[in-house]
Formats: sequence, C-alpha cells, structure tokens
Amino acid sequence: QVQLQESGPGLVKPSETLSLTCAVSNYSIRSGSFWGWIRQPPGKGLEWIGTIYHTGNTYYNPSLKSRLTISVATSKKQFSLRLTSVTAADTAVYYCASATVAVPAAMSWFDSWGQGTLVTVSS
Amino acid sequence: QSVVTQPPSASGTPGQRVTISCSGSSSNIGSNTVNWYQQLPGTSPKVVIYTDDQRPSGVPDRFSGSKSGTSASLAISGLQSEDEADYYCAVWDDSLNGPVFGGGTKLTVL
Repeated sequence: QVQLQESGPGLVKPSETLSLTCAVSNYSIRSGSFWGWIRQPPGKGLEWIGTIYHTGNTYYNPSLKSRLTISVATSKKQFSLRLTSVTAADTAVYYCASATVAVPAAMSWFDSWGQGTLVTVSS
Repeated sequence: QSVVTQPPSASGTPGQRVTISCSGSSSNIGSNTVNWYQQLPGTSPKVVIYTDDQRPSGVPDRFSGSKSGTSASLAISGLQSEDEADYYCAVWDDSLNGPVFGGGTKLTVL
C-alpha cells in the first residue's frame, strides 16, 4: 500500500507562494502511476488541483493553471506543488494522492491519500 | 459550483437502504467511469466504488454503484452508524481534461 505524507508551511501570506511536498513510500514513484493534488476549503467539498504522470506530463485545473506548477523529484521519492499569488480563497486542506492502477487517466481513481495538511492564507 | 451535481444531504435509519445520486453530462459521466469516495469526519477520502460499480477489497458488499446515461448512483444497504460520512462522486471531464468531484453528500444515520 502506497503511503503519502504532505509537508509544508501551514501559514502563507497573501500574494506569496504556497509550496508543498508529498513524500512517497512503499512504492516506486517511477512506476506507471498518477500523482495528484486535491484541496478542500474548510467546510466545503473536494477540488482537483492537478496531476503529474510518471512520464512527467502534467494536467492542471484550468482555474489554477496560470499559478500552478507540479513537479516530481524521482531521486527524492517525492512530488511537489507550487501555487503563486495566493489569496484567502486558497485556504484549504491540501491532500496528495496517487492512482496506481494501470488504466488510462480517464478511468483512474485515487487509491491512496495523504492525511492532508491545512494551509491558511493570512497576513 | 461543480459540473457534477449531488444532493447536499441524505439520511436513513439503521438497516435501511439509501441511495445517493450524481448527475453530470455527456462530457463526464456520459463518457467516462465514475468513482465514489467516502470521507469520515476528520479523515482523508477513501474510495468505496471505482469504475462505476467495482468495490475495492475491504469495502463491505453493502456498498454498490451503478450508472445510466449521464447519472450515477451509490447505494448503501443495511445502513450502519459507521456509514455516517460525506460521500463524493468523481469522474473525468473531457472538457476539463481532469477529474471533477461532485459537491458531496452528507449522509446522516438517524
């Protein structure tokens, strides 16, 4: 079973950059999997942020695309999220997740999730 | 507001069967497979149904999924207090080129 653990600052100032890392264990980050970020504002539903494939290809939510970068550091067994110019609307619990079953992206599902990390945007 | 719609709440008594609906369009449910996630209070989501109607190992067979046209449903039979949670449908959207989550349904066991 893949294990995922998010890490990063819990407080970010408005207009600054939010950076989070997801450490992957018990699984090869090089394998044919999808690695994603999902967020959940307090008391609200889930929102897909973006996904990076084992090939390095990335797919971003169009609503965040201009501010978003997702990357993989294979040697470090981790993948990362970088969101620039944050506002209070970016306050949320951020989850990293993996889709490890070898099916096309449109048929995939997130079968492992991290515990989530709360990021608050405030001055 | 999500392009995939769920009722905000559902409820049932222990032992009952409840159904949660998920309504979409031809660019998502109508052309791709649906997954369902359960989020217990204070925890991360967990998949309970994938590929429309498949149950992961460890998920009780009380949980079942179905899909017809541009709608999907999650059914829970023999409702138990431990089923009280938020449930989200999720499906790939061809226009978004990524997965979209429904707004979530809060299930209360009375």
